[in-house]
Amino acid sequence: DVKVTQSSRYLVKRTGEKVFLECVQDMDHENMFWYRQDPGLGLRLIYFSYDVKMKEKGDIPEGYSVSREKKERFSLILESASTNQTSMYLCASSLGAGANSYGYTFGSGTRLTVV
Amino acid sequence: AQSVTQLDSHVSVSEGTPVLLRCNYSSSYSPSLFWYVQHPNKGLQLLLKYTSAATLVKGINGFEAEFKKSETSFHLTKPSAHMSDAAEYFCVVSGWGSQGNLIFGKGTKLSVKP
Repeated sequence: DVKVTQSSRYLVKRTGEKVFLECVQDMDHENMFWYRQDPGLGLRLIYFSYDVKMKEKGDIPEGYSVSREKKERFSLILESASTNQTSMYLCASSLGAGANSYGYTFGSGTRLTVV
Repeated sequence: AQSVTQLDSHVSVSEGTPVLLRCNYSSSYSPSLFWYVQHPNKGLQLLLKYTSAATLVKGINGFEAEFKKSETSFHLTKPSAHMSDAAEYFCVVSGWGSQGNLIFGKGTKLSVKP
């Protein structure tokens, strides 16, 4: 089974801190994604990557950046955390260029609280 | 543009009764469609997917969904609800926007009463 592992289950950070959320997948998937999930808003795409060192903005990239130095690892960076970035963050990966026909495999999520 | 609408934000059923979670999609071509489930404080798990083969798709845990092109619907059903089915369910369509990324509905929370 494909595994997508997010390094932290719960995280509490202070306003203004630089925050790193790590995601690792073990099945050689080309595509990786970061979402945030908020009540009533569903999942919103922050950034995605189709290959090493490639990144594309999703629907809500402001205040975030990403890094993909290795195929299996996709990091989400909050440059200066703010309270409105308190949320559940979900990482996902998928196989091949036809990502839309395979579906995504998700990690268990990181619940980030910014105080 | 592709989109998906989940018609109910919350559905409540009694244990042992049928489950129906409704989803309509909009797509200018034959889409791929998915249902995902998210149990409390967990990530999303793929329940089933439709990719233009049989219109009735069987998934895990006794769920199934029927693709109806004429109605642009992809409703999720289960004959008999179990307490462990209580979760949030997401209908998802493949999109051509954002380089073919999946587009998620806002979710339907299913409650199961004993």
